[in-house]
Amino acid sequence: AQSVTQLGSHVSVSEGALVLLRCNYSSSVPPYLFWYVQYPNQGLQLLLKYTTGATLVKGINGFEAEFKKSETSFHLTKPSAHMSDAAEYFCAVSNNAGGTSYGKLTFGQGTILTVHP
Amino acid sequence: NAGVMQNPRHLVRRRGQEARLRCSPMKGHSHVYWYRQLPEEGLKFMVYLQKENIIDESGMPKERFSAEFPKEGPSILRIQQVVRGDSAAYFCASSPGTSRNIQYFGAGTRLSVL
Repeated sequence: AQSVTQLGSHVSVSEGALVLLRCNYSSSVPPYLFWYVQYPNQGLQLLLKYTTGATLVKGINGFEAEFKKSETSFHLTKPSAHMSDAAEYFCAVSNNAGGTSYGKLTFGQGTILTVHP
Repeated sequence: NAGVMQNPRHLVRRRGQEARLRCSPMKGHSHVYWYRQLPEEGLKFMVYLQKENIIDESGMPKERFSAEFPKEGPSILRIQQVVRGDSAAYFCASSPGTSRNIQYFGAGTRLSVL
């Protein structure tokens, strides 16, 4: 079974400050890891993904995340927050071992990011 | 290339009625996933379908819920005899057969049961 824990349901930062959203996962097989962003009343947009290879992954809108196997973490960062980054962020895990659950995403509870002027 | 299209965006039903949620995947995508987002919760997997086949329905409630993805036409998530607890946002995602883990999401259908 897989699970995802996002530490902090709400994170508030000032515009221009560092954004750090925490995600820890549990998986019995090598995971695929994702960050999605959801704006109010919209669907989920893929920010970035880790499948294999380089552990530091760069995504859209200046976000990046680092896969740390020893810490079972995949934290999302952005050096300088912008007002338009205010949204809800979801970390998700999927296994790559095949079988009928292949591709099924398990999501964390979400973190609402607020950006203050 | 149009994205994943879901309709309706908002659906209001009274208790006991049926709800039908539609999802048209991105062009060329043959894999469809349905997720449910209850208030104050994250998204939970419901069902995974390929054309004409249900591959994994481990997240579907045992009663009243069904899903299909016919050879022609959109995928349908059907909820019979809705109850207030079914009120949620239902999201559909699709992926191409060659890269099943990259899922593209629709804008969702928000179901309200009165």
